[in-house]
Amino acid sequence: KQEVTQIPAALSVPEGENLVLNCSFTDSAIYNLQWFRQDPGKGLTSLLLIQSSQREQTSGRLNASLDKSSGRSTLYIAASQPGDSATYLCASRGISTDKLIFGTGTRLQVFP
Amino acid sequence: NAGVTQTPKFQVLKTGQSMTLQCAQDMNHNSMYWYRQDPGMGLRLIYYSASEGTTDKGEVPNGYNVSRLNKREFSLRLESAAPSQTSVYFCASRQLGQYTDTQYFGPGTRLTVL
Repeated sequence: KQEVTQIPAALSVPEGENLVLNCSFTDSAIYNLQWFRQDPGKGLTSLLLIQSSQREQTSGRLNASLDKSSGRSTLYIAASQPGDSATYLCASRGISTDKLIFGTGTRLQVFP
Repeated sequence: NAGVTQTPKFQVLKTGQSMTLQCAQDMNHNSMYWYRQDPGMGLRLIYYSASEGTTDKGEVPNGYNVSRLNKREFSLRLESAAPSQTSVYFCASRQLGQYTDTQYFGPGTRLTVL
């Protein structure tokens, strides 16, 4: 059974810092790995999708990497801003399944 | 294009009462999902529907039923609510293409069972 873990659970950084959020998964037979953002009281918004054949994806100041052999994905946020404050969740989708397995998220606060 | 909509936004029930959470998407997606989100537990899949007319259990289906009324609508029913079902419920739909695999989420329903 796939298990997805995110460390740290919470992170508070000053504006301008580059930071890394970690995601670990136990079953390397994944179809893809996805990162989402959730603002307080809101639904999830998709940020980045990495297919199993890819090593990384970039969108603006966000870069996500995938290492299936070690069961890890990282989300790199460059030059963090207060507007980046949110909870970030990763989720893996297994091969031949319609289900996403979510981590518990990292709650990020960027202060001015 | 409204995306994924959910009603109601908030609901308070007494133990034993029943209710149906409504979800609709206007993006012509085949797959739809119901999740619950609890503090420290992440999102857990309750039920999903890969296409109109099909439904399957997820990780935590006990105490719930679903109906895929048509391609747009996917409802979640609590027949006899219990305090353990106090949670935030999210509906989602999936856009799957050759190079894309994106889940779109509704704004959530915050349910309290007393």
